[in-house]
Amino acid sequence: DTAVSQTPKYLVTQMGNDKSIKCEQNLGHDTMYWYKQDSKKFLKIMFSYNNKELIINETVPNRFSPKSPDKAHLNLHINSLELGDSAVYFCASSHLDEQYFGPGTRLTVT
Amino acid sequence: GESVGLHLPTLSVQEGDNSIINCAYSNSASDYFIWYKQESGKGPQFIIDIRSNMDKRQGQRVTVLLNKTVKHLSLQIAATQPGDSAVYFCAENFPYNNNDMRFGAGTRLTVKP
Repeated sequence: DTAVSQTPKYLVTQMGNDKSIKCEQNLGHDTMYWYKQDSKKFLKIMFSYNNKELIINETVPNRFSPKSPDKAHLNLHINSLELGDSAVYFCASSHLDEQYFGPGTRLTVT
Repeated sequence: GESVGLHLPTLSVQEGDNSIINCAYSNSASDYFIWYKQESGKGPQFIIDIRSNMDKRQGQRVTVLLNKTVKHLSLQIAATQPGDSAVYFCAENFPYNNNDMRFGAGTRLTVKP
């Protein structure tokens, strides 16, 4: 009965590769998000989707692209991975204000 | 013990003591605030929230205080337990930016048995 799930939990890949992280929520929430958490634990919002419409796009490189096949999923695609992309990526969902977070995906780019 | 959470400071307290974690928020238009707890290897988890029409709200062992004059938020944890060891984040909403929540830098709380 996991609320927000992400796969994979760990991802190790080489520079230049393209990878995807999947996120699913079974809460029936309208809005989903992607956050990046750096090594200093700073959480920064990357994207949010409301009813399949992108409503926030922070100053994130266009190598990152969110894709939402339906209201319950928001996947994150990353092209041409760079060393600086190494971080923990969290998916979250919300109905009103409170956000429910997934367990995170630790991405390591070598 | 107390902390000011701007660059992931660490607050260390003895089990059973009260803890106070502080947060300075940036947007005077923010009207909703949340405290999150993040344990090692997990995602942030909701603890307590407060709206700007209140200056205090209490939960189970936790109290949030809001001072809008100086844009300051604090989380008080009573009788701190080892299970309270985690990183704590405050988050504020941005009403004029689709109401998205922005997180502060976090404070690491360590509880010594």
